[in-house]
Amino acid sequence: AQSVTQLGSHVSVSEGALVLLRCNYSSSVPPYLFWYVQYPNQGLQLLLKYTSAATLVKGINGFEAEFKKSETSFHLTKPSAHMSDAAEYFCAVSRGGGSQGNLIFGKGTKLSVKP
Amino acid sequence: DVKVTQSSRYLVKRTGEKVFLECVQDMDHENMFWYRQDPGLGLRLIYFSYDVKMKEKGDIPEGYSVSREKKERFSLILESASTNQTSMYLCASSFRVDEQFFGPGTRLTVL
Repeated sequence: AQSVTQLGSHVSVSEGALVLLRCNYSSSVPPYLFWYVQYPNQGLQLLLKYTSAATLVKGINGFEAEFKKSETSFHLTKPSAHMSDAAEYFCAVSRGGGSQGNLIFGKGTKLSVKP
Repeated sequence: DVKVTQSSRYLVKRTGEKVFLECVQDMDHENMFWYRQDPGLGLRLIYFSYDVKMKEKGDIPEGYSVSREKKERFSLILESASTNQTSMYLCASSFRVDEQFFGPGTRLTVL
């Protein structure tokens, strides 16, 4: 069965520092993987997605993620954090097997950015 | 741009009331989803629908039902609201196996 684990429920970085949010997945079929961001009192917004094309995926707002099959990971990175990046981030994996677009979400990682 | 709208941003109801949460999408998406979001638990799927009048249970369907009479509209129903259903409810839609587009959410408080 598919599952997603996000390591660290809270991550704090200084403005200008590297952002690294970790996501590991388990999937019995080739996965589709997604990163979403949620700002306070808003719905989720797609940052980027991996759908079996290039393993390094670039998203919005300077974020990128690399699909590593051998490590079953899809970590999210940004070279230099900005105050506006403070939000909650969710990793998700497709359930697969004709599940009509169902996703399984991780529990989320709250990113804080210190001035 | 895809737009997913939810009928209310904030809702306060009393225990035992019947509650309707409405979701409308404007991109002719086949799939629609209802999630609840609680701190530390992430998003949990309640129900989803892949076609008009079709519905499938998600991970936590107990205490909820849904209705999809038109392709663009997906309703979540709490037959008899209870305090443990106080939560943020998020609706989403998608086209086949692709990214989901989310509404702004409804924060429901059951007193």
